[in-house]
Amino acid sequence: EAQVTQNPRYLITVTGKKLTVTCSQNMNHEYMSWYRQDPGLGLRQIYYSMNVEVTDKGDVPEGYKVSRKEKRNFPLILESPSPNQTSLYFCASSLSGVSGYTFGSGTRLTVV
Amino acid sequence: GNSVTQMEGPVTLSEEAFLTINCTYTATGYPSLFWYVQYPGEGLQLLLKATKADDKGSNKGFEATYRKETTSFHLEKGSVQVSDSAVYFCALSVRGSQGNLIFGKGTKLSVKP
Repeated sequence: EAQVTQNPRYLITVTGKKLTVTCSQNMNHEYMSWYRQDPGLGLRQIYYSMNVEVTDKGDVPEGYKVSRKEKRNFPLILESPSPNQTSLYFCASSLSGVSGYTFGSGTRLTVV
Repeated sequence: GNSVTQMEGPVTLSEEAFLTINCTYTATGYPSLFWYVQYPGEGLQLLLKATKADDKGSNKGFEATYRKETTSFHLEKGSVQVSDSAVYFCALSVRGSQGNLIFGKGTKLSVKP
């Protein structure tokens, strides 16, 4: 089944404790992207990648890192999480960007 | 810049009512347009899309037509069901914009039996 898989689905952590949210797609898509969803603010892009080893900042990249060492994986790294990073995070992938994205099921992160 | 504006919700309808959710956009290039749906507790699913002017996207009884002259992509369904209750997002992507998907704020639809 073609899908984007994110893990974990739920995570509660403490301020400053490094964490990684994994994302993997099995569709051989070039484009991958991370979004966060917040009430009243909608969905905002954090980082995106157009190919292996090619990543760039989206609209809200502060406090996040990503890597794209292989085509299928695009982990999101929070080096020192803070409470304002409490949010619902989505990973997504696309064949060409304008062809539409397939989204993962989301990761609900709470930073206390 | 690129942006999407969609009608504020929530929208509450009775089963079998007609649905319209308005969406307008601004874009610096030639966008592809999308409607995504988010059911409670789930991720976003692509509902339909249109890639050029006058294209009509359709899926599961939902339709939207890419209107370049009015920069609109309104979502319609002739007869909604309780199972259509969800949040609907209009979005655009412009070729050459690094694949960035720009979303509207979302419209929550509740359908009552």
